Amino acid sequence: DTAVSQTPKYLVTQMGNDKSIKCEQNLGHDTMYWYKQDSKKFLKIMFSYNNKELIINETVPNRFSPKSPDKAHLNLHINSLELGDSAVYFCASSQEGSVGTGSTDTQYFGPGTRLTVL
Amino acid sequence: GENVGLHLPTLSVQEGDNSIINCAYSNSASDYFIWYKQESGKGPQFIIDIRSNMDKRQGQRVTVLLNKTVKHLSLQIAATQPGDSAVYFCAEGDSGSARQLTFGSGTQLTVLP
Repeated sequence: DTAVSQTPKYLVTQMGNDKSIKCEQNLGHDTMYWYKQDSKKFLKIMFSYNNKELIINETVPNRFSPKSPDKAHLNLHINSLELGDSAVYFCASSQEGSVGTGSTDTQYFGPGTRLTVL
Repeated sequence: GENVGLHLPTLSVQEGDNSIINCAYSNSASDYFIWYKQESGKGPQFIIDIRSNMDKRQGQRVTVLLNKTVKHLSLQIAATQPGDSAVYFCAEGDSGSARQLTFGSGTQLTVLP
């Protein structure tokens, strides 16, 4: 009954390679995100997709390309990997909060993918 | 135990004591705030949230306080337990800004036996 899942959990690869990380959510949410967490635990938004449409695209090298085949999936493809890409990447999802209910656009996170570039 | 925000990223408390984790936010337009807990090797886990039209919200053993005047948020954990040891993040969101969350730098809470 995993809510937000990512594969793989660990990814070790050489510089210059191309790799993909997959994310799936079974919460029925309409928005999905990718975050990068550095060695100091700082979480930074990379991308956001709402109903398969890109709505947030922070300053990220164009070697990173998100792809959303459907509302439940948001994959992250990285070309020509560099040493600085080593980090933990988190996928998250949310559903727009309803006005007046007190709910917020809470994001639910996956377990993370630790990417190590050698 | 209590930390004073970004200048003290670590907080150690005795088991059974109350913990207070502080966070200063920067965007006056932020209208909702969320606290997350991240245990080692796991993703951030939702703890509690609060909208800007409230100044206090309580959950199970946790209370979030919001002071919009000084743009300050705090998380209080009652009777801290060893399982509470984790990194705690505050996040601010602006409903009018593509539902983007901005995360603080985190506070490492360590519960001492």
